[in-house]
Amino acid sequence: QKEVEQDPGPLSVPEGAIVSLNCTYSNSAFQYFMWYRQYSRKGPELLMYTYSSGNKEDGRFTAQVDKSSKYISLFIRDSQPSDSATYLCAMSYTGANSKLTFGKGITLSVRP
Amino acid sequence: ETGVTQTPRHLVMGMTNKKSLKCEQHLGHNAMYWYKQSAKKPLELMFVYSLEERVENNSVPSRFSPECPNSSHLFLHLHTLQPEDSALYLCASSQELNSGNTIYFGEGSWLTVV
Repeated sequence: QKEVEQDPGPLSVPEGAIVSLNCTYSNSAFQYFMWYRQYSRKGPELLMYTYSSGNKEDGRFTAQVDKSSKYISLFIRDSQPSDSATYLCAMSYTGANSKLTFGKGITLSVRP
Repeated sequence: ETGVTQTPRHLVMGMTNKKSLKCEQHLGHNAMYWYKQSAKKPLELMFVYSLEERVENNSVPSRFSPECPNSSHLFLHLHTLQPEDSALYLCASSQELNSGNTIYFGEGSWLTVV
């Protein structure tokens, strides 16, 4: 079982839709959870950062972590064509020299 | 504009060439990374430097040779590459090398080996 699994996509939705992106993981030691957004031919940029379980909201974006199920989600409300990008989940555990483990990424297309 | 700058953005090289990728971070961070991004694969961590000292080399072939002359600069020297090495090479940095530190990526260098 891979450490981090992410729905392969691609995903296409109409403008205004609510989008749900998900990752599952196997390492219960993961404590830090991040979502990166990567536009075509650009580097990934940090979108959301959460520690341990719970929800975090930032504008139209909500990150949710359920450590009991080893499941994280990113919700996008009122999706816009400018949200079209690849979204990567990433996570790490507590400890010196701990490094991020990434999912494969899912490509989202929001149709006008 | 990100705080991590990579050059060149695009590079085409033959299998017998020698070239280098350059990365500079303007964030005052102490840790720097090289990642490889290929289609349909997760980001692959190649090298990690902390305070100019290499702390990790993830079984990367010797045709890739990193260099970190100071905490702001990172190079990836390329020599006798293979076509399967064609990918997006991403440089990144973080404040420290430990858990929970957010890493910031550069725009990447698109490498094509012909």
